Amino acid sequence: AQSVTQLDSQVPVFEEAPVELRCNYSSSVSVYLFWYVQYPNQGLQLLLKYLSGSTLVKGINGFEAEFNKSQTSFHLRKPSVHISDTAEYFCAVSKISGTYKYIFGTGTRLKVLA
Amino acid sequence: EAGVAQSPRYKIIEKRQSVAFWCNPISGHATLYWYQQILGQGPKLLIQFQNNGVVDDSQLPKDRFSAERLKGVDSTLKIQPAKLEDSAVYLCASSTGTFSSTDTQYFGPGTRLTVL
Repeated sequence: AQSVTQLDSQVPVFEEAPVELRCNYSSSVSVYLFWYVQYPNQGLQLLLKYLSGSTLVKGINGFEAEFNKSQTSFHLRKPSVHISDTAEYFCAVSKISGTYKYIFGTGTRLKVLA
Repeated sequence: EAGVAQSPRYKIIEKRQSVAFWCNPISGHATLYWYQQILGQGPKLLIQFQNNGVVDDSQLPKDRFSAERLKGVDSTLKIQPAKLEDSAVYLCASSTGTFSSTDTQYFGPGTRLTVL
């Protein structure tokens, strides 16, 4: 079975500062990895995904994530955040075969301060 | 391209009442998912349809929850009777259903259910 751990439930950061949101996963088989963002009262929107190849993945809105197989991590980063980045961020995994069922982490609430 | 549509957006009911949620996926998407998102937790898959067949309903509380996708397009999720612990946001998602690496899930805005 797969599991996802997002250790930080909340991350406050000042505007224009860099941010890293941490995600660790556990799986006995190869997985795909995803980051989704959820703005208030909205559904989840895909930020980026790692399928294979380069371990550094670039997504929308200036976000990027690095896949580290040895540390089973997929941390999300942004060099300079904006007020509009305030949202809930979810990390998810799915097996690379079968029904592509997603397992989500508990989320990290990013609050960007002026 | 229209996104995933859900209704209603909000619902408040008393415990032991019944409630139904509706989802219309992106046109042409074969796979439809229902998730339950309890406050402070990540979304949990309740049921996954491929066209009008059930692929995975292992986490659906079948004594009170039911879902259908009769014509392989839109879907309804029902709770009967509701319990206090059913208070959550119910998210619908859809994907092309090719079960390949490009098969991304697209989410609707969700229905926020409050059970009093």
